[in-house]
Amino acid sequence: GAVVSQHPSWVICKSGTSVKIECRSLDFQATTMFWYRQFPKQSLMLMATSNEGSKATYEQGVEKDKFLINHASLTLSTLTVTSAHPEDSSFYICSAKPSYGYTFGSGTRLTVV
Amino acid sequence: GESVGLHLPTLSVQEGDNSIINCAYSNSASDYFIWYKQESGKGPQFIIDIRSNMDKRQGQRVTVLLNKTVKHLSLQIAATQPGDSAVYFCAEKVWNSGYALNFGKGTSLLVTP
Repeated sequence: GAVVSQHPSWVICKSGTSVKIECRSLDFQATTMFWYRQFPKQSLMLMATSNEGSKATYEQGVEKDKFLINHASLTLSTLTVTSAHPEDSSFYICSAKPSYGYTFGSGTRLTVV
Repeated sequence: GESVGLHLPTLSVQEGDNSIINCAYSNSASDYFIWYKQESGKGPQFIIDIRSNMDKRQGQRVTVLLNKTVKHLSLQIAATQPGDSAVYFCAEKVWNSGYALNFGKGTSLLVTP
């Protein structure tokens, strides 16, 4: 079945540094990928829609300059959290649409100290 | 804005009993719904989906019911097992966000022996 690989699974960084999260579609091409954020005991909230070869579409309230998204190929989208702060600590999950349905990465637990 | 919501935040059932998890949606234009299971620290796992032209769909031990008149979705799990303990989310396809999924609040299912 369609698989999305997300790395790293967890990362701890210092406040003010940047962190990059990768999302790869392993056995299908994904012209569109989605990035979600999930705080403890809450639902997944869509942050942005990543489009291959063009700019990402951000949801209202999500800072595009803070959460940089690059979708340079049909199998890779990256989310970079720039100048991370403790409030950015969360569980980040990517998703893509294969020929049927949606598939999700395993998530990245970001802790900013 | 319009969103998907759930009636019950937590549900405790005994092993072997049937579970019913409910979801209300408000976007009448939604035409595709999915139920996901999420275990702690992992990404969402597909359970079952249903299109708006159907009112019932069955899988292995799971059944999804869709009532478009009252905009209600439910997930029934037969003979609930300890391994079913997780958080369950309903999600709807949102046409105006690049077909991203909009997630409900989630129901935590706890199966007791």
